Amino acid sequence: DAGVTQSPTHLIKTRGQQVTLRCSPKSGHDTVSWYQQALGQGPQFIFQYYEEEERQRGNFPDRFSGHQFPNYSSELNVNALLLGDSALYLCASSWAGHLSYEQYFGPGTRLTVT
Amino acid sequence: QQQVKQSPQSLIVQKGGISIINCAYENTAFDYFPWYQQFPGKGPALLIAIRPDVSEKKEGRFTISFNKSAKQFSLHIMDSQPGDSATYFCAARADSGYSTLTFGKGTMLLVSP
Repeated sequence: DAGVTQSPTHLIKTRGQQVTLRCSPKSGHDTVSWYQQALGQGPQFIFQYYEEEERQRGNFPDRFSGHQFPNYSSELNVNALLLGDSALYLCASSWAGHLSYEQYFGPGTRLTVT
Repeated sequence: QQQVKQSPQSLIVQKGGISIINCAYENTAFDYFPWYQQFPGKGPALLIAIRPDVSEKKEGRFTISFNKSAKQFSLHIMDSQPGDSATYFCAARADSGYSTLTFGKGTMLLVSP
């Protein structure tokens, strides 16, 4: 049973460019959340997708956008990259069923903006 | 505003000792408290979690103690091993939060041989 997978593993972009990160959830999961983890910090919630809709969003600018596909996989897009966007981007999947709380994280995509 | 405060920032424990990491929260809407373990270059891995209707949960060498009135919870790692050396994050989920998590800043644990 494959866990959460993310691609690419590493990415280097230049300030002002745009980037797309991808995530496939754990089998049986239908909800995908994205987190940003700066060096030495805990993950910060960006947004969550369920039934192909963004249903909750953290305190991130609208340069950060996403999408969920019918197979529950998801993309995170960041436009007009800033140096401060350099971080580990984590995808977490979960099941939206009643009393289900567990979130499982992927290995992350390390984004470096130069 | 940091909603989950974690301490200490770093911790060194001798092999076989007990590692204790503490977290405090303010939001009384939090109803689920997981701990994650993260190794360098990896994503966080769910270690153990507790809900506020119990005061303690134990899984192997890992125990969560929960004090609802004080709004505090802690992770105890018994018989700590060098392989436990990692960064540990406490987190909390609000009951209206669709399972989204608020994390502490992390504790870097080093278990010396």
